[in-house]
Amino acid sequence: EAQVTQNPRYLITVTGKKLTVTCSQNMNHEYMSWYRQDPGLGLRQIYYSMNVEVTDKGDVPEGYKVSRKEKRNFPLILESPSPNQTSLYFCASSLSGRARNEQFFGPGTRLTVL
Amino acid sequence: AQTVTQSQPEMSVQEAETVTLSCTYDTSESDYYLFWYKQPPSRQMILVIRQEAYKQQNATENRFSVNFQKAAKSFSLKISDSQLGDAAMYFCAYRSYDNDMRFGAGTRLTVKP
Repeated sequence: EAQVTQNPRYLITVTGKKLTVTCSQNMNHEYMSWYRQDPGLGLRQIYYSMNVEVTDKGDVPEGYKVSRKEKRNFPLILESPSPNQTSLYFCASSLSGRARNEQFFGPGTRLTVL
Repeated sequence: AQTVTQSQPEMSVQEAETVTLSCTYDTSESDYYLFWYKQPPSRQMILVIRQEAYKQQNATENRFSVNFQKAAKSFSLKISDSQLGDAAMYFCAYRSYDNDMRFGAGTRLTVKP
């Protein structure tokens, strides 16, 4: 089944403890992206990747890191999480970075930073 | 910077009736794409419909259709014959050709039986 998977689905952590949220897609998509969803703000793009080893900042990259060493994986790294990073995170992928391509979203990761 | 505005935080509709969700956006680009996504309580993001800015014809997908007014920068979603399963949060989104992706704040749709 074609899908985007994220792990973990739920995470509660404490300020300053490094964490990684994994994202994997099995559709051989070139483009992958991370978003955070907050009430009243919709989804905001954190980082995106046009292909392996190519990443770019989105709207809200501060406090996050990403890497794209393999086509299928695009992990989101929080080196020193803070409470303002408590949010719902989505990973998405599309065939390419062309605007017309549909983005397929993962199930989301609910992160709470205490 | 491009912005997407959904002015209706909440809407409700009677089952089998029609409802229209509003969306406006701001951009200086001439070519771009617009999308409506549905997010049910499961939180899964589901693409409902997409519109290419250079196409004047409004997109339609079964009971879902859009009213795209490029000059007014308006992109509303019409849901006909509303069903209980249509209850969800709906997000309007804009994507430019250089991958600037923007979402509105969302409209929560309630469907009354």
